[in-house]
Amino acid sequence: DSGVTQTPKHLITATGQRVTLRCSPRSGDLSVYWYQQSLDQGLQFLIHYYNGEERAKGNILERFSAQQFPDLHSELNLSSLELGDSALYFCASSVEGMSNQPQHFGDGTRLSIL
Amino acid sequence: AQKVTQAQTEISVVEKEDVTLDCVYETRDTTYYLFWYKQPPSGELVFLIRRNSFDEQNEISGRYSWNFQKSTSSFNFTITASQVVDSAVYFCALSENSGAGSYQLTFGKGTKLSVIP
Repeated sequence: DSGVTQTPKHLITATGQRVTLRCSPRSGDLSVYWYQQSLDQGLQFLIHYYNGEERAKGNILERFSAQQFPDLHSELNLSSLELGDSALYFCASSVEGMSNQPQHFGDGTRLSIL
Repeated sequence: AQKVTQAQTEISVVEKEDVTLDCVYETRDTTYYLFWYKQPPSGELVFLIRRNSFDEQNEISGRYSWNFQKSTSSFNFTITASQVVDSAVYFCALSENSGAGSYQLTFGKGTKLSVIP
């Protein structure tokens, strides 16, 4: 158990809809990262938050947004969903976000777009 | 841009055989960190090891060992006496500076290891 909690585990929805994925980091971790894992793109970094502030963006679509709340949990919002958004979405956390700190991953949310 | 290459897409071995998973990376940074993660069939990503660019000592943890060679930009992972429970996808990753004090992981495509009883 990594200590990172992601909900829901599975999400099935239709094209054009909007969903929210939730992540609670490990106790004491201030950094939260979001990654997308798909068959064609592999594991890709989406966005990083540190103590409520956005720190870096990766290959995140404009239809996607995220935030980190004062209690440090984070939400990833995906809107105008397309079939290609079907993927496993991981949240990871680390103490501060420094390069030497391993990121600990949650179990992921599997998003299926019908 | 940084890059991580895991040339072996899939490997199958018979239980108790040794197996080495290759990882080659590219970076312009002089200080960097490398990681290995395991993704079992259940889907979660499990952190296995971290290695910094200054430490080229090999590391052994039980049946797992890692060989880091800066001269060839490789960070290979060996499982000795493989077991069925080792069946998983293994990812090599490089910590990349995203700017503004942020570091993201750049992952290889992964190597799927199947251990046959």
